[in-house]
Amino acid sequence: GEEVAQTPKHLVRGEGQKAKLYCAPIKGHSYVFWYQQVLKNEFKFLISFQNENVFDETGMPKERFSAKCLPNSPCSLEIQATKLEDSAVYFCASSTIQAEYGYTFGSGTRLTVV
Amino acid sequence: GDSVTQMEGPVTLSEEAFLTINCTYTATGYPSLFWYVQYPGEGLQLLLKATKADDKGSNKGFEATYRKETTSFHLEKGSVQVSDSAVYFCALGPFSGGYNKLIFGAGTRLAVHP
Repeated sequence: GEEVAQTPKHLVRGEGQKAKLYCAPIKGHSYVFWYQQVLKNEFKFLISFQNENVFDETGMPKERFSAKCLPNSPCSLEIQATKLEDSAVYFCASSTIQAEYGYTFGSGTRLTVV
Repeated sequence: GDSVTQMEGPVTLSEEAFLTINCTYTATGYPSLFWYVQYPGEGLQLLLKATKADDKGSNKGFEATYRKETTSFHLEKGSVQVSDSAVYFCALGPFSGGYNKLIFGAGTRLAVHP
């Protein structure tokens, strides 16, 4: 399809619980990106994939965050043992290699940790 | 490192006023430049882009020119509408041989009143 599909739209977890977010990129897009948007609008880069390979993971808090993009499956971002500060909207985006059309963003998953 | 600086908001205007949102960047290569818009409760939409110096991106009455000499990509619109109220993000990336993620500015909230 022509949109990046993110599920679920909303997710509520108790502190210490696991959270798993999904992203289906646009077909034919080789790159997938995850961003975290916190309250003050700031977009923090987390990780990018080139197909199923991690391309850049410099933004990932490695002790609790993990992500995968497996063939024929939606990409996923998992947070083990969530903390209050993980409350944010998580956006996924995809692009072609040259990003000639920019990056297409999904509508986000709002994670609330209580 | 590479970065984007946007003017702080909020910017409050009356309908039909002229809009400028300043954006300057620091980059070690020759990135593409983007403006994204986020309406309340929604994801990011690409507003316009420019891929090389002196390129002008335009869409829905908004314009921005890639100025390499001043490392700027200011967003302008001649006559804003209430429906333009949103948060606007300037971003840079990717460029050949360099990173491929988007680096965002902090966002500028625009509020247009009738």
